[in-house]
Order: sequence, then C-alpha cells, then structure tokens
Amino acid sequence: EAQVTQNPRYLITVTGKKLTVTCSQNMNHEYMSWYRQDPGLGLRQIYYSMNVEVTDKGDVPEGYKVSRKEKRNFPLILESPSPNQTSLYFCASSLLGTSYEQYFGPGTRLTVT
Amino acid sequence: EDKVVQSPLSLVVHEGDTVTLNCSYEVTNFRSLLWYKQEKKAPTFLFMLTSSGIEKKSGRLSSILDKKELFSILNITATQTGDSAIYLCADTGANSKLTFGKGITLSVRP
Repeated sequence: EAQVTQNPRYLITVTGKKLTVTCSQNMNHEYMSWYRQDPGLGLRQIYYSMNVEVTDKGDVPEGYKVSRKEKRNFPLILESPSPNQTSLYFCASSLLGTSYEQYFGPGTRLTVT
Repeated sequence: EDKVVQSPLSLVVHEGDTVTLNCSYEVTNFRSLLWYKQEKKAPTFLFMLTSSGIEKKSGRLSSILDKKELFSILNITATQTGDSAIYLCADTGANSKLTFGKGITLSVRP
C-alpha cells in the first residue's frame, strides 16, 4: 500500500531533550516536506527536500533540523525542544513538479513541557 | 511572500444545504491550487486546479479556479454530516512549495 508513515504518533517530552520524528514513504517520491499545524495558524512548512542531500528551509525552520540521506526517509530533528514547538506535525511527499498532489502522513502530536 | 486567504473561517449548515468555500491567493510563481479535506487526521487530497474556468467535479464536490481574479471556490451540494471537516486550500509556487490557508471549518448538522 502506498503510504507515508511517521513515528512516533504521539510524544510527550521535556524542554531540551533531543528528539527525532521519523518519516518514510514507499512511493519513490523525490519531494518530501515537514509541516506543523497549530490552531488559528493552519499548516506551515518547516523544511522541504527536493531529492537526496537537497534540503531547504520553509516558513518556520527555527529550532528544527532535517536530513535526507536516503530517498525514502526524511527525519525531523529537534535538538533542544521548547514548549512553543508543541504542535501537530505532518510529513508529506510527492513526485517532483507542480502537477502532483502531496500525500500526507498520519501526523505526530508533540507536547513539550 | 506567498499568501492564501480562506473564507469564511467557519460555517455551520444543515444537511441538504449547498455551501461555497472561498480561497484567494497571492503567489509569485503560481503553479497550481489544491484543495484538501481534513477530518481529525491527515489532510486528504480533493482537487488540483491549474487552468482557469475548468470545473473539476467529484460527486457532490466541485471546484473552479479564476487565475485573473486569483481565487478558487469549492462547492459542496446536498451536504451530509460526513462532510463536516476542515477544508484546506493551498497554492503551489516555486520549488513545489505549498502555502496553505488557515482552513475553513465546516459543520453539517443533521
């Protein structure tokens, strides 16, 4: 089944404790992206990648890192999480180009205390 | 900076009503306009629009794009309670970047 998977789905952590949210897709998509969704603010892009070893900042990259060492994986790293990073995070992927819709993972709900 | 504005932000209707959801956009290198439906989980794709004036339909849902006036509408006829969701509009600019609006929360009452 074609899908985007994320882990963990739920995470409660404390300020400053490094964490990684994994994202994997099995559709051989070149493009992958991370979003956060907050009430009243909608979905905002954090980082995106157009292919292996190619990543770029989205609208809200501060406090996040990403890597794209393999085509299928695009982990999101929070080196020192803070409470303002409490949010719902989505990973998405698509074929490269603007004629293709993005497929979203199931989401990761992160709470930083 | 790309900008997408959706209206209204929330809407309550009764089953059987027809609703129109609005999306206006400002984008430097417009490529396409997408609509997604989100029901307590990940957004699911509804439509992609690239050309003005060509209506896309899927059952009771339809959407159209006006590239001159920079807006799109999503129509839902004969609404059902299962249509209750957040409807997201996004435009695709350079580098496949999606810019989302804040979403429209639709509640359909029995």
